[in-house]
Amino acid sequence: AQSVAQPEDQVNVAEGNPLTVKCTYSVSGNPYLFWYVQYPNRGLQFLLKYITGDNLVKGSYGFEAEFNKSQTSFHLKKPSALVSDSALYFCAVSESYGNNRLAFGKGNQVVVIP
Amino acid sequence: GAVVSQHPSWVICKSGTSVKIECRSLDFQATTMFWYRQFPKQSLMLMATSNEGSKATYEQGVEKDKFLINHASLTLSTLTVTSAHPEDSSFYICSAKRGGTYEQYFGPGTRLTVT
Repeated sequence: AQSVAQPEDQVNVAEGNPLTVKCTYSVSGNPYLFWYVQYPNRGLQFLLKYITGDNLVKGSYGFEAEFNKSQTSFHLKKPSALVSDSALYFCAVSESYGNNRLAFGKGNQVVVIP
Repeated sequence: GAVVSQHPSWVICKSGTSVKIECRSLDFQATTMFWYRQFPKQSLMLMATSNEGSKATYEQGVEKDKFLINHASLTLSTLTVTSAHPEDSSFYICSAKRGGTYEQYFGPGTRLTVT
């Protein structure tokens, strides 16, 4: 079964500094990887995905993520964080067959300090 | 495109009653819909997967007789919490997926409080 680990509970970063949110995954086949963001009392918003192809994926709101197969990682990055990026970030993985059931990480609270 | 709505956005019900939550894909046909449950400050737990016109597949530990799921059309799935109890209070989120694609589009969630 697929699983995701997001090792940090909270990530604090000063506004304007680079933001990194870590994610490692475990899956038996080829992974499909996703990042979602959640604001309080809201559903999840899709940021980006990796299915195949270029390991560096660019997504919404200036975010990008790099797929690293040897390290089974898919870290989310943003070169310059904004206060409005403060939210809960979820990494998710599904296996490349079937209904594409998603397994989510526990989530990382990102706090951008003005 | 790819907008998913949920109704209601919040509901309060008395213990022992049933409540229905609707999930609609507004601008696409969803061959598969998923229902998740999220506790405060925790991740999403998949409850069940439903394909249009067939019975839902429930995750281990989820009571199918308590959480009734109906995926009657390509744009609508419903989750009915039967005989609700306070421990059923949670944030319920649905998602929808187009056939042949990979990403799920999430609804805004429904906050259920059982008193």
